[in-house]
Amino acid sequence: QVQLAESGGGVVRPGRSLRLSCTASGFTFGDYGFHWVRQAPGQGLEWVAVIWYDGTNEYYADSVKGRFTISRDNSKSALYLQMNSLRAEDTAVYYCARLLVVGDWSWLDPWGQGTLVTVSS
Amino acid sequence: DIQMTQSPSSLSASVGDRVTITCRASQSIGTYLNWYQQKPGKAPKLLIHAASNLESGVPSRFSGSGGGTDFTLTISSLQPEDFATYYCQQSYSTLVTFGGGAKVEIK
Repeated sequence: QVQLAESGGGVVRPGRSLRLSCTASGFTFGDYGFHWVRQAPGQGLEWVAVIWYDGTNEYYADSVKGRFTISRDNSKSALYLQMNSLRAEDTAVYYCARLLVVGDWSWLDPWGQGTLVTVSS
Repeated sequence: DIQMTQSPSSLSASVGDRVTITCRASQSIGTYLNWYQQKPGKAPKLLIHAASNLESGVPSRFSGSGGGTDFTLTISSLQPEDFATYYCQQSYSTLVTFGGGAKVEIK
């Protein structure tokens, strides 16, 4: 059964750091790229970052560029999101999602259950 | 960045109604458009990829159409389990973007 599970969320002060993890099971982790997507309370989905299957490329939303870093450890089937200089507006549920690619088309499936990050003093 | 605009942002409908949600891209994106369903407190679930391809296990009352800049998600006969928020997402650009969502509520 293909599954993703996020962890590492919590309450953190503004300006501090937090690292989220996403562990995968049920498929060959190293064959796929992954996204991080977040959702502020009561709001819509906001794309955060993506990393290629082999880690050679990573891209970020402007809102997190220079503060967040996406990475992966294929030996552990694990995806990470290092979040530095956190701001109140980073408060959200963070989801990891697998990137499926068929030809030129791609989509996100499945998604993890999400982990809540609250940035507050 | 490619902007995705959904309409309406919310709607009220009854069981058995036909529901249509529209998604418009700020530039032509071919058929690089996916639809997701999200229920309260749950993760999004993929419904349709590449504009019109229904995911395995998704009921056939869901359908997607469109191309270029204009896309539509249709639920032919709304069921109680369909009350949720629906998001479109473009995959034309590596920097993917989502629409603002369309919440389908019970009338």
